[in-house]
Amino acid sequence: AQKITQTQPGMFVQEKEAVTLDCTYDTSDPSYGLFWYKQPSSGEMIFLIYQGSYDQQNATEGRYSLNFQKARKSANLVISASQLGDSAMYFCAMREGGSGNTGKLIFGQGTTLQVKP
Amino acid sequence: EAGVAQSPRYKIIEKRQSVAFWCNPISGHATLYWYQQILGQGPKLLIQFQNNGVVDDSQLPKDRFSAERLKGVDSTLKIQPAKLEDSAVYLCASSPGTGGAKETQYFGPGTRLLVL
Repeated sequence: AQKITQTQPGMFVQEKEAVTLDCTYDTSDPSYGLFWYKQPSSGEMIFLIYQGSYDQQNATEGRYSLNFQKARKSANLVISASQLGDSAMYFCAMREGGSGNTGKLIFGQGTTLQVKP
Repeated sequence: EAGVAQSPRYKIIEKRQSVAFWCNPISGHATLYWYQQILGQGPKLLIQFQNNGVVDDSQLPKDRFSAERLKGVDSTLKIQPAKLEDSAVYLCASSPGTGGAKETQYFGPGTRLLVL
């Protein structure tokens, strides 16, 4: 069963505007972590932001924030004030933390973001 | 602090040949992961080491893939013999501890493999 779903294969955003990348997840484990990574054309996966299942507040890191809606099992990434350098593939990933889990990351299919000047 | 190092960055081989990839994790990181990323998809875990030991290799095609992590530091992933469907980017990642829910994995630049 698909555990991480990213429904937007591609997105466009105008430079300096905000954009939201969608992610929904499925797990029965009460302890889990949600991650967003950026993958530019160079190929390296760059860690952006983390949200824990027990965290009370939405995570923020600079221009990145995570809109965590636990009841809806969604963890959308919001990028404010988009820059040309934000053009990349973005992956949502989940790690289940319960006993018996090794901690591997399960990735979604990714969303390609293109920032237009 | 130096990041995760991988080599080579690119490799082209013919099917049925063998190939090896090398990874040096961030200094002090106990857990090392190898992921396979096929074009247009998210990465998929092949094998996870904690120090010297294998934690998870359930998705490693063991008839052709092998990996080792000697002395709990560097790791090598080998494919022998390669198939066309092995064309992918092979990503190495490391994390500081035992891989709990909060633990961030840091990735290397990857090795792009093309099998002809």
